[in-house]
Amino acid sequence: DIQMTQSPSSLSASVGDRVTISCRASQSISSYLNWYQQKPGKAPRLLIYAASSLQSGVPSRFSGSASGTDFTLTISSLQPEDFATYYCQQSYSIPRTFGQGTKVEIK
Amino acid sequence: EVQLVESGGGLVKPGGSLRLSCAASGFTFSSYNMNWVRQAPGKGLEWVSSISSSSYIYYADSVKGRFTISRDNAKNSLYLQMNSLRAEDTAVYYCAKEGSSWSLDYWGQGTLVTVSS
Repeated sequence: DIQMTQSPSSLSASVGDRVTISCRASQSISSYLNWYQQKPGKAPRLLIYAASSLQSGVPSRFSGSASGTDFTLTISSLQPEDFATYYCQQSYSIPRTFGQGTKVEIK
Repeated sequence: EVQLVESGGGLVKPGGSLRLSCAASGFTFSSYNMNWVRQAPGKGLEWVSSISSSSYIYYADSVKGRFTISRDNAKNSLYLQMNSLRAEDTAVYYCAKEGSSWSLDYWGQGTLVTVSS
């Protein structure tokens, strides 16, 4: 199985901050990397697919990038509604696997 | 508008069975792969099973041999039959539609399954 390792597990940031979340795959997954946002009590929401493609309706302050097996989600200017938990997920092979999540909290 | 609505969750004793349903609307259900993903209380997301538009089926090792995924394209519905349930199966179960690059682009609101005596 492909292991997905996210870092950090949590972070504190202020509105307007630039935030980066990292995700590393245990083996090559090409660009089959997706990012989701989840707020408490709600279903996850797709933000980024194929490492860097913005899902329809998602604000442009969210972006994704890739370098080998390392992937990054960037929020260019954190907004109040962005405080949530973020998960990466590989869709390269079965079983699909998720990172453990990164909780973004208010500083 | 794409909508996925799960039902069938509840409290069940260890060793018991439960059948989850997911009613889909707003897209051509028969053309898309569908998935079940679960989330134990306070934990992260765990992929459970998927079924392709051609009915190829895959399971996580943790549920293989106990859970059965199926679909009824005529009813635009996805199902998860869960047998021999264990305490560690306690979770919110989400159905999710696959989109580009096999991402999960739409999710239901989830249904809670609690396995406890």
